[in-house]
Amino acid sequence: EIVLTQSPGTLSLSPGERASLSCRASQSVSSSYLAWYQQKPGQAPRLLIYGASSRATGIPERFIGSGSGTDFTLTISRLEPEDFAVYYCQQYGGPPLISFGPGTKVEIK
Amino acid sequence: QVQLVESGGGVVQPGRSLRLSCAASGFTFSSYAMHWVRQAPGKGLEWVAVISHDGSIKLYPDSVKGRFTISRDNSKNTLSLQMNGLTADDSAVYYCARDPAKGVPDYFDFWGQGTLVTVSS
Repeated sequence: EIVLTQSPGTLSLSPGERASLSCRASQSVSSSYLAWYQQKPGQAPRLLIYGASSRATGIPERFIGSGSGTDFTLTISRLEPEDFAVYYCQQYGGPPLISFGPGTKVEIK
Repeated sequence: QVQLVESGGGVVQPGRSLRLSCAASGFTFSSYAMHWVRQAPGKGLEWVAVISHDGSIKLYPDSVKGRFTISRDNSKNTLSLQMNGLTADDSAVYYCARDPAKGVPDYFDFWGQGTLVTVSS
């Protein structure tokens, strides 16, 4: 069973800084079937990245997904005020069929 | 534009049942697999169920298998989740979410705003 671990749990940064979020899988994620979501308080998650590195429609270029196998990274090149949120990774290769990481909170320093 | 609107949440006693619905619009509903994903208060995301575009494939995690049933009515653009034998652990915001694939579960490209289910006596 693939277990996703995200680090750090909380990232304290200032606007304009670069954020690097890690998602590690306990087993290789097949065909890079990994997605990233952003969730703000009181809102539904929003798809940012799928296939490990493909940006979803309308997602700014500052969001960059990379990685393969067991190690994946979401990089936000320059944090904008609206980027402070919780970020989840999700694998969809299984098993299990679908699972999420516990999330990384990006907060304002 | 794609819209997913959940309804049916509320407070329910342990052991009872509840049925959630999700009204879809702005896309060809019958061409997409659909999911339910839940989030307990202050916690992370948990996948609950998926149904293929034509309803022929339904899959669940062990945590809800045998208690929850996902269904869809493509003529009414509606997704449903029948939840039986509810426990406090089922308390969460339930989201319906679209999958860009037709059959094999994939990722979630659009989400509804969610409906809150509270299981309490």
